[in-house]
Amino acid sequence: GQNIDQPTEMTATEGAIVQINCTYQTSGFNGLFWYQQHAGEAPTFLSYNVLDGLEEKGRFSSFLSRSKGYSYLLLKELQMKDSASYLCAVISGTYKYIFGTGTRLKVLA
Amino acid sequence: DAGVIQSPRHEVTEMGQEVTLRCKPISGHDYLFWYRQTMMRGLELLIYFNNNVPIDDSGMPEDRFSAKMPNASFSTLKIQPSEPRDSAVYFCASSETEVPPKGNNEQFFGPGTRLTVL
Repeated sequence: GQNIDQPTEMTATEGAIVQINCTYQTSGFNGLFWYQQHAGEAPTFLSYNVLDGLEEKGRFSSFLSRSKGYSYLLLKELQMKDSASYLCAVISGTYKYIFGTGTRLKVLA
Repeated sequence: DAGVIQSPRHEVTEMGQEVTLRCKPISGHDYLFWYRQTMMRGLELLIYFNNNVPIDDSGMPEDRFSAKMPNASFSTLKIQPSEPRDSAVYFCASSETEVPPKGNNEQFFGPGTRLTVL
């Protein structure tokens, strides 16, 4: 079957670094997304990886290893406003969009 | 641009009633997606369109659900008859391109419709 796994919840302190992991098993692969979703709001795009390696965008970086079926989202210099759910999503080989259930990140002062 | 527009924002209805959700994608976007989000199952893709044509509707739960896109600026998701288990937030999203290498595939989500079926 097709599956995406992420931790359900994480807690970190303001100013710290946090890494949110995502593992996937899909029939083929055409890219991986990370989205941020604040409570009661729509998801917003953070990053897209289709090749192995690290993509950096300001305080956020996303890493992909296709051979391991693994990605992580790295958030640096955490701020209170980073408290949100982070959704990992994969486009499978047949162009199906599959989302994980998300990781709820709580940033504490 | 106003972004993706959805209406209504909230809908409360009784079991057995017909529900119609509406979406206006961002102008110029060729792809339109309908998602459902619940606590238990997360975000699930129901159906998506390319240039107004349905491409993949394998996520549509059953025959009670139908979606149309009569033109590039409007789409509907209909549930008939509605059931309590359909209660969820329904998101519409649009994007310029579907998959690489044409673009980064960023999907822009609307604010969602919170549906409650009693």
